[in-house]
Amino acid sequence: DSGVTQTPKHLITATGQRVTLRCSPRSGDLSVYWYQQSLDQGLQFLIQYYNGEERAKGNILERFSAQQFPDLHSELNLSSLELGDSALYFCASSARTGQETQYFGPGTRLLVL
Amino acid sequence: GESVGLHLPTLSVQEGDNSIINCAYSNSASDYFIWYKQESGKGPQFIIDIRSNMDKRQGQRVTVLLNKTVKHLSLQIAATQPGDSAVYFCAENSGGSNYKLTFGKGTLLTVNP
Repeated sequence: DSGVTQTPKHLITATGQRVTLRCSPRSGDLSVYWYQQSLDQGLQFLIQYYNGEERAKGNILERFSAQQFPDLHSELNLSSLELGDSALYFCASSARTGQETQYFGPGTRLLVL
Repeated sequence: GESVGLHLPTLSVQEGDNSIINCAYSNSASDYFIWYKQESGKGPQFIIDIRSNMDKRQGQRVTVLLNKTVKHLSLQIAATQPGDSAVYFCAENSGGSNYKLTFGKGTLLTVNP
């Protein structure tokens, strides 16, 4: 158990809908990272937050957004969902920001029908 | 551009043998590397990391070797056990002000009893 928690574990929804994925980092960690894992693209970095502020952006679609709250939990919002958004979404956390180990949560499996 | 790739997509070994999983990276500026293990239905689990000022690092039953000259990384697992069966990813840290991880596509390790 990495200490990173994610909810829900599974999510099934329809195209055009909006969902929110939640992540709680390890106790004391200030950085949260979001990754998408699909069969054809592998693990892709989406976005990083550090102590409530956006720190880095990867290949995140404009339909997707995230935020980190004062208690350091983070939410990833996916809107106008398309079939191709079906994937595993992982959250990772690290103590600060920098070249340090990122610990991953168990992921949320999203299925868009 | 940045990329991290794996030479072998699958590796099958006998229980008790040593396993070697290889990874090539293309960004010569990368200076932090991590190996993750991902079991079916779970998030990536940290195994070992190495910084570019080292060429070898050992953990429990695992050794990571870094060859900066040819931009190659390997993970050696000693006395491989059935519980080691998983997908193994190498990840590269891009450095600078962006601490995202760039993942390779993964190698599936199967340990035969």
